[in-house]
Amino acid sequence: AQSVTQLGSHVSVSEGALVLLRCNYSSSVPPYLFWYVQYPNQGLQLLLKYTSAATLVKGINGFEAEFKKSETSFHLTKPSAHMSDAAEYFCAVSGMEYGNKLVFGAGTILRVKS
Amino acid sequence: ETGVTQSPTHLIKTRGQQVTLRCSSQSGHNTVSWYQQALGQGPQFIFQYYREEENGRGNFPPRFSGLQFPNYSSELNVNALELDDSALYLCASSSSGGHNYGYTFGSGTRLTVV
Repeated sequence: AQSVTQLGSHVSVSEGALVLLRCNYSSSVPPYLFWYVQYPNQGLQLLLKYTSAATLVKGINGFEAEFKKSETSFHLTKPSAHMSDAAEYFCAVSGMEYGNKLVFGAGTILRVKS
Repeated sequence: ETGVTQSPTHLIKTRGQQVTLRCSSQSGHNTVSWYQQALGQGPQFIFQYYREEENGRGNFPPRFSGLQFPNYSSELNVNALELDDSALYLCASSSSGGHNYGYTFGSGTRLTVV
């Protein structure tokens, strides 16, 4: 069963526009949730994480995500896209149900048009 | 604090050969995980080590093996290399399991099997 689903393998936005990257998870209990960013030929950088505290999580570089239990979602947003945001973004889940490992979605490539 | 460092950054091996990849964990982290990221895919969990013991393994054959040393650095060994082993191999370190603290990733080792 797919644990993490990222809707849209590619998303294109104009510079200054809203960024919305979608992530849905399947779990019987609220998991720990993460968003990572990967620039070309680099490793993964943690943007933000949800660990059962506030449902609205603020991360680095102006990104934030909201945990919605009723929708089993953890969508990533940024009010105004910058050219430097162009990268691949991965949603991931972890927790006891996942054997204490990270389970990643397939990733979404964000393109920012000038 | 130092982050996660991996070596080498790139290497090319011939099918059937053996390879060892190395990872130095972030200072203060006692858990190391290894992930395989094939081109165009999300990272897949290989295994995790906590205090020198393997405490989780993904769906990888036994020819993928690892070690964690007393200083919490780690090695990933792959025997009898196959063409499909070509991928970016990522090491991640964390504190005590990581699922509620997050994982710090290295920049990866790009392995090409020819």
